[in-house]
Amino acid sequence: NAGVTQTPKFQVLKTGQSMTLQCAQDMNHNSMYWYRQDPGMGLRLIYYSASEGTTDKGEVPNGYNVSRLNKREFSLRLESAAPSQTSVYFCASSPGLAGGPGDEQFFGPGTRLTVL
Amino acid sequence: SQQGEEDPQALSIQEGENATMNCSYKTSINNLQWYRQNSGRGLVHLILIRSNEREKHSGRLRVTLDTSKKSSSLLITASRAADTASYFCGRGNEKLTFGTGTRLTIIP
Repeated sequence: NAGVTQTPKFQVLKTGQSMTLQCAQDMNHNSMYWYRQDPGMGLRLIYYSASEGTTDKGEVPNGYNVSRLNKREFSLRLESAAPSQTSVYFCASSPGLAGGPGDEQFFGPGTRLTVL
Repeated sequence: SQQGEEDPQALSIQEGENATMNCSYKTSINNLQWYRQNSGRGLVHLILIRSNEREKHSGRLRVTLDTSKKSSSLLITASRAADTASYFCGRGNEKLTFGTGTRLTIIP
């Protein structure tokens, strides 16, 4: 039982390049999330998916797109990377009954992205 | 937005002492969760307290929730060096909002 896995662990991009961050969970969770963590800013929600086939914007969605490929996988795409997107990106999942009171989130190990 | 903050931003204590950190929020929530983050790692869930609960315990952790003051506290008793980490509270319902956390350092 691997929990939440993220690839890659590290990535360096040049401004304008694109890339996709991959996330997968093996806990049969309904909800999945993408956060970014910057020094002094805490974690901020980029996008989330309450169930397979649905996605919603979080606090800081600009410059990102997501795909909930199936129940297990939730990817985050940067179409044209900018230095302001240099951050640590975390994926998380929760059992998540849509519209329910919310429950524990399980986090992946993170992807450290640098945009030059 | 359900933003609030954890305080203090940083806390250093001697091993064996108790550590208390606080969390505030601005709008009504169904539950509040506390997480720990070791340096360079993802967040790990510690405890969830629902809006109809006032106190919850888990091992050396004690969490309180005061919905009238929109605040929560996390108490770690008999601290250990391994408790050195950043602690975050997640406020909200289906979506969580996190503050900047409390960086706790336990001095051996």
